[in-house]
Amino acid sequence: SQELEQSPQSLIVQEGKNLTINCTSSKTLYGLYWYKQKYGEGLIFLMMLQKGGEEKSHEKITAKLDEKKQQSSLHITASQPSHAGIYLCGADGTGANSKLTFGKGITLSVRP
Amino acid sequence: NAGVTQTPKFRVLKTGQSMTLLCAQDMNHEYMYWYRQDPGMGLRLIHYSVGEGTTAKGEVPDGYNVSRLKKQNFLLGLESAAPSQTSVYFCASSHPLVYEQYFGPGTRLTVT
Repeated sequence: SQELEQSPQSLIVQEGKNLTINCTSSKTLYGLYWYKQKYGEGLIFLMMLQKGGEEKSHEKITAKLDEKKQQSSLHITASQPSHAGIYLCGADGTGANSKLTFGKGITLSVRP
Repeated sequence: NAGVTQTPKFRVLKTGQSMTLLCAQDMNHEYMYWYRQDPGMGLRLIHYSVGEGTTAKGEVPDGYNVSRLKKQNFLLGLESAAPSQTSVYFCASSHPLVYEQYFGPGTRLTVT
């Protein structure tokens, strides 16, 4: 079965600083999804990457996919308290777009 | 649109009791999913459905049953609750041609 390893497990940054978190898959990626979760709430979709080298941005969050490394990185520029939460990556390992495997998540805290 | 709703939001059960969690979506989505989220374990798929009347096992199906009698509803049943089923349960739905999964707010279940 596909496994996703996210690193680091947790991160504390000062407001205004940039940061990068990673997600590495044990198997071929047919699609890599990034979600954000605030404490006690459901997951909110951020973006989805499908092709090697693909890069997408949403506001100050940019995600890239390295197909050869089976890895995705998510970069936040000039972090704000609103960026705090748990970031989870999910992967479609079958190409059927019917179910995802998720990583354990990265907890991000942003100090004002 | 209400999106994905879950009932109840909180529940405490005693070992051996049964209960049903209800998930409803008003987006006419074909696919629906039940996940559980545990500290250090991330989000794991319990069961999913790719259409009305169909269900399939996910990563951790033991101890749970599901039914999808109506397209908009996906029920998760615990026949004989165990303390190991203490968790936060999330329902999600998606359209087969759209990658994003929409998540409900979660149900926090404690089994004593």
